[in-house]
Amino acid sequence: GAGVSQSPSNKVTEKGKDVELRCDPISGHTALYWYRQSLGQGLEFLIYFQGNSAPDKSGLPSDRFSAERTGGSVSTLTIQRTQQEDSAVYLCASSHTLEGFRETQYFGPGTRLLVL
Amino acid sequence: GEDVEQSLFLSVREGDSSVINCTYTDSSSTYLYWYKQEPGAGLQLLTYIFSNMDMKQDQRLTVLLNKKDKHLSLRIADTQTGDSAIYFCAEGGYQKVTFGTGTKLQVIP
Repeated sequence: GAGVSQSPSNKVTEKGKDVELRCDPISGHTALYWYRQSLGQGLEFLIYFQGNSAPDKSGLPSDRFSAERTGGSVSTLTIQRTQQEDSAVYLCASSHTLEGFRETQYFGPGTRLLVL
Repeated sequence: GEDVEQSLFLSVREGDSSVINCTYTDSSSTYLYWYKQEPGAGLQLLTYIFSNMDMKQDQRLTVLLNKKDKHLSLRIADTQTGDSAIYFCAEGGYQKVTFGTGTKLQVIP
């Protein structure tokens, strides 16, 4: 079946501009995650959505970062007033959850963001 | 807090075995994972092991878990050039999944 998809695959923007990154999770997966992978770094957790519960935003690095998940499916990560240090690969993942337990996550191909 | 550590780089010759090591700190982890990231692609789940297991084998892949030492390893037998990638160790359970920095595996023909 279809996996997690993300768009755009690459985004080049100028410092100070806003960007929106999109994630389409696997159909039926209730949990959705956003991560950031900077050059030479491991994955950095950003935000987690689970069903209709309030999202876990504890990983968002600043108030310039926000995310929404509409209808329990598609999610958009928005970065306002982008800075050069925001340049990274942004990865989305989705999973089933059973009674709050986070199962194996399936990752999308990522969006490569370059802020000039 | 949770912490997962891996060496950054490993180079092996084609046909040899590769062993990628990982240490973690959260003893409550229920699952330990290995992910593979090929150039320009997202992460792909390779295999995972429950924390109550010592070993799991899947074709060329063998995962060993030493829960006492919080040490996880991934052995790739008969390493091929197509195995060149970054391998991420991750641990998780009821809390967030925590990933290591990844080990870049270079396979020399």
